[in-house]
Amino acid sequence: EVQLEQSGAEVKKPGESLKISCKGSGYSFTSYWIGWVRQMPGKGLEWMGMIHPGDSDTRYSPSFQGQVTISADKSISTAYLQWSSLKASDTAMYYCMSCHHWGQGTLVTVSS
Amino acid sequence: QTVVTQEPSLTVSPGGTVTLTCASSTGAVTSGYYPNWFQQKPGQAPRALIYSTNNKHSWTPARFSGSLLGGKAALTLSGVQPEDEAEYYCLLYYGGAQRNWVFGGGTKLTVL
Repeated sequence: EVQLEQSGAEVKKPGESLKISCKGSGYSFTSYWIGWVRQMPGKGLEWMGMIHPGDSDTRYSPSFQGQVTISADKSISTAYLQWSSLKASDTAMYYCMSCHHWGQGTLVTVSS
Repeated sequence: QTVVTQEPSLTVSPGGTVTLTCASSTGAVTSGYYPNWFQQKPGQAPRALIYSTNNKHSWTPARFSGSLLGGKAALTLSGVQPEDEAEYYCLLYYGGAQRNWVFGGGTKLTVL
């Protein structure tokens, strides 16, 4: 059974850094792209970017280029999404998706 | 900036048929955009329904079908059930220089 297990909810202050994770199981982790998706409160889905864990080829949506970093550690079948300096506008639910399956989401709240 | 457009909202009666569409600001949507469709219910992660225009997943109910219609990607629900009330999102792939995916704004489907 394909599963994508995301890390738990986070509450951070503006300016802090953060790295959230998505662990894949039940499929060949290095064979499928993993995408990250943002959903701001009450809004639609936004494609942020994706990584191919097999060769670490990474692509970003223009809106998110330079704002976040996507990475993966294939030795532990885990992908990451990170911020170096969070803003209040980063408050959202973040989903990973791969192999036609979705993680359960990680809620990130940024507030002073 | 590429924009993918969906109907903001549609209403259908139980047992009826409804078609949701997905248009690209770059021109006609073809199979080369690998249209995907997702369903999201309140408080839940999205769920994949259709990939590569018209391919269903093992869990996709038979009443859902995907196609290309008049230069757009389309999702048709035949014999709509009350549990089909949800938000539906399309996702298109842009190759070439972009090499990335873009979500549509979503369609809120009401079953009434």
